[in-house]
Amino acid sequence: AQSVTQLDSHVSVSEGTPVLLRCNYSSSYSPSLFWYVQHPNKGLQLLLKYTSAATLVKGINGFEAEFKKSETSFHLTKPSAHMSDAAEYFCVVSDLANDYKLSFGAGTTVTVRA
Amino acid sequence: GAVVSQHPSRVICKSGTSVKIECRSLDFQATTMFWYRQFPKKSLMLMATSNEGSKATYEQGVEKDKFLINHASLTLSTLTVTSAHPEDSSFYICSARRGSRTDTQYFGPGTRLTVL
Repeated sequence: AQSVTQLDSHVSVSEGTPVLLRCNYSSSYSPSLFWYVQHPNKGLQLLLKYTSAATLVKGINGFEAEFKKSETSFHLTKPSAHMSDAAEYFCVVSDLANDYKLSFGAGTTVTVRA
Repeated sequence: GAVVSQHPSRVICKSGTSVKIECRSLDFQATTMFWYRQFPKKSLMLMATSNEGSKATYEQGVEKDKFLINHASLTLSTLTVTSAHPEDSSFYICSARRGSRTDTQYFGPGTRLTVL
């Protein structure tokens, strides 16, 4: 069965410093992997997705993620955090075994210090 | 493109009443729509999958008679919470997907339901 583990429930960074959000996945098939962001009391916005093309995926707002099959990881990074990056981030996996339904990680809360 | 709306954004109702939430894909046709529930500071839980013109498929543990889903057209799905109780209070989020199962799901802004 597919699943996702987000290794940090909370990440705090200073504005202008790098952000790293860690995600490990489990999938028996070639998975699709996503990162979504949710601002308070809002819906989810797609940051980026991996679907078996280039392993380094660039997304919106300066975010990128690298798919590493050997490590079953899909970590999200941003070189320089902005105050507006404070939000909840979800790593998500889908694959054929689960009819491509989305399985969400528990989420990582990002706070950005001025 | 790929905008999904939900209405209402926030609703408060009395215990025992029913509440209908609409999910619309504004600029694309959604063969499949999904309904999720999110508890405070928790992840999203898939409740059901609805395909246009057919009955919804509910996830294990979700009461289909309590959470009625209708997918009347390629741009509209509705979730009706029947005989709502305080434990149904939650954040309900829909998503919509075009034809292929591997297509991206686009999420609505969510509906905050509070049952008094």
